[in-house]
Amino acid sequence: TQLLKQSPQFLSIQEGENLTVYCNSSSVFSSLQWYRQEPGEGPVLLVTVVTGGEVKKLKRLTFQFGDARKDSSLHITAAQTGDTGLYLCASWNTGNQFYFGTGTSLTVIP
Amino acid sequence: DTEVTQTPKHLVMGMTNKKSLKCEQHMGHRAMYWYKQKAKKPPELMFVYSYEKLSINESVPSRFSPECPNSSLLNLHLHALQPEDSALYLCASSVNRGSYEQYFGPGTRLTVT
Repeated sequence: TQLLKQSPQFLSIQEGENLTVYCNSSSVFSSLQWYRQEPGEGPVLLVTVVTGGEVKKLKRLTFQFGDARKDSSLHITAAQTGDTGLYLCASWNTGNQFYFGTGTSLTVIP
Repeated sequence: DTEVTQTPKHLVMGMTNKKSLKCEQHMGHRAMYWYKQKAKKPPELMFVYSYEKLSINESVPSRFSPECPNSSLLNLHLHALQPEDSALYLCASSVNRGSYEQYFGPGTRLTVT
């Protein structure tokens, strides 16, 4: 069973601070997705990374796919209260099953 | 239109009730999914339909019964649920099973009393 382990599991920061969330696995992925989920809502796709070493930016969010395509990171610059939510990485395994990482719950305090 | 809709938004049911959750998408996606999610945990896959055929059943108890009447609709029939089945039930769709991205509905918050 492939596992996507995220760290940290919980994160509470002040508005304006920077943060990084990590998603790691021992397996190689053909692609990896990042989702954000607000309380009581479904996950919303933020980005898909496909190429090893790829960096994608979405406003204050920067996503990186590791060179070996086994890990990924999400960096948020100058966090805002609207960034609060559950951040999930996700991918497909070799059995063609979609699964999520363990999740990072972010709280941004005003 | 990248919207997946789910009804109802909230559902409270007793352990002897029978109810159904509904999901709809009009993006032409051929794969649809049901997930169960507990608070602050990642969604757990329950069922996958590909081209209206059940392709994965992740050993879900028989009190949950999925149905895919056509390529746009997905139902989850509930019967004799337990309090521990209380959770957020999410529906998702993708172009095909194995496509990069899944699009999620807002979920149904289910409470079993």
